[in-house]
Amino acid sequence: DIQMTQSPSTLSASVGDRVTITCRASQSISNWLAWYQQKPGKAPKLLIYKASSLESGVPSRFSGSGSGTEFTLTISSLQPDDFASYYCQHYNTYLRTFGQGTKVEIK
Amino acid sequence: EVQLVESGGGLVKPGGSLRLSCAASGFSLSDNNMNWVRQSPGKGLEWVSVITGSGASGRSTSIYYADSVRGRFAISRDNAKNSLYLQMNSPRAEDTAVYFCARDRGSLGAFDIWGQGTMVTVSS
Repeated sequence: DIQMTQSPSTLSASVGDRVTITCRASQSISNWLAWYQQKPGKAPKLLIYKASSLESGVPSRFSGSGSGTEFTLTISSLQPDDFASYYCQHYNTYLRTFGQGTKVEIK
Repeated sequence: EVQLVESGGGLVKPGGSLRLSCAASGFSLSDNNMNWVRQSPGKGLEWVSVITGSGASGRSTSIYYADSVRGRFAISRDNAKNSLYLQMNSPRAEDTAVYFCARDRGSLGAFDIWGQGTMVTVSS
């Protein structure tokens, strides 16, 4: 199975900061990678698919990049609504796996 | 409106059984791959199972499970009721989690539609 490793596990930042989260796959997954945002008590929400495609309705301050085994999610200017947990997920095969998550906290 | 609504969660004893349901509206569940994903309290997301869509062509369905549930859980679908199910047999304490159903976008894609989740607690 493909393993996904996210870093950091926790990130403290301020409103307006540029934030980057990294996700590494244990083998090449081409660009079959998604990013999700999850707030406490809620279902995850799709932000980015195919590594860099922005889901409809998602603010343009979110962007994704990478291919193969290394991927990043960037928030260009952190807003109050962005404090949440973020997960990467590969969909290279039907046996999908998620990264362990990154919690973005208020500094 | 495209929507998924889970039900059936609750308290179950170790070794017992429980069936979770996920009702779809606004789209045909059989045309899409459908998944179960779970989240233990305070933990991350774990993919559990997928049943592939049969679509208009009536292609055969495939089913896959995470190692942690294979042989104990069973995913199924009722096209007439537009509903997805997860039969949980012989649950263990470590199966305690919120269970979400989620739709694949496309033939193998990101999860674009999620239910609100249903809580399962495995305890004696």
